[in-house]
Amino acid sequence: GENVEQHPSTLSVQEGDSAVIKCTYSDSASNYFPWYKQELGKRPQLIIDIRSNVGEKKDQRIAVTLNKTAKHFSLHITETQPEDSAVYFCAATGTNAGKSTFGDGTTLTVKP
Amino acid sequence: GAVVSQHPSRVICKSGTSVKIECRSLDFQATTMFWYRQFPKQSLMLMATSNEGSKATYEQGVEKDKFLINHASLTLSTLTVTSAHPEDSSFYICSAEAGGVVGTDTQYFGPGTRLTVL
Repeated sequence: GENVEQHPSTLSVQEGDSAVIKCTYSDSASNYFPWYKQELGKRPQLIIDIRSNVGEKKDQRIAVTLNKTAKHFSLHITETQPEDSAVYFCAATGTNAGKSTFGDGTTLTVKP
Repeated sequence: GAVVSQHPSRVICKSGTSVKIECRSLDFQATTMFWYRQFPKQSLMLMATSNEGSKATYEQGVEKDKFLINHASLTLSTLTVTSAHPEDSSFYICSAEAGGVVGTDTQYFGPGTRLTVL
C-alpha cells in the first residue's frame, strides 16, 4: 500500500519567516495530494491541494509543489503568523477506493 | 463549503457498553465516508471506508465485529463501538468525500468524537 513520510515532525519559526514541510509518497498511482491544518482538539481543515497533472499551486501565503518523478510534494507558507501555529498533515490519495494515506504530521510553532 | 457533523462530540461510557457515533454530511451527498482514529499527538489512522448501500471495507488490523459501520443513506454513516474497553478510548473522526468520482475529491472532516471508556 501507500506509504507517506513527512518531515520535519516539529518546526519552529519566527513570525514573518517562511516554513516548508516536505512529504514523500511511495505509490506512483497516487494522484491527489491535500494538505490539512489541525488545531488542538479540532477537525483537520483542508488548506490547499494539488493534483498530479499540476506542478505547483498557490493560494495567497500558501503554496504546494509536486514532483511526480521524485514522488515528493511540499507545503510552503510565507510570511508566517502566530495563527499559523498548528499541526499540518499531508496526504496522498490514489484510485484505491479513494483512500488517503496521511503523513505523521508536523507541529508548526510561529513565535511572535 | 461542504459541512460534516458528528454526534456526539464527547462520550464517556463504562467498559462493556456499546457506543454509536453518527457522521452526517449536511449540505451534500456522500457516497463514501471514511472513519479515522487519532491518538494524542499522532496522525489520522484510517479504520474503514464506508460505502452507501454496501458493506464497509475495513483496514488491516481493524476488527469489523467490534467497529460496526452502517451507511444507510447518502448523508449518514454510523460507527458503533461494541463492548467498549479502555483501550478503545480515542478521538474518532469521520470524513465525507464530496463528489461523484471516488479518489478525486476533497475529504471534509467532521469535528470528531472524544470517546472515553472507564
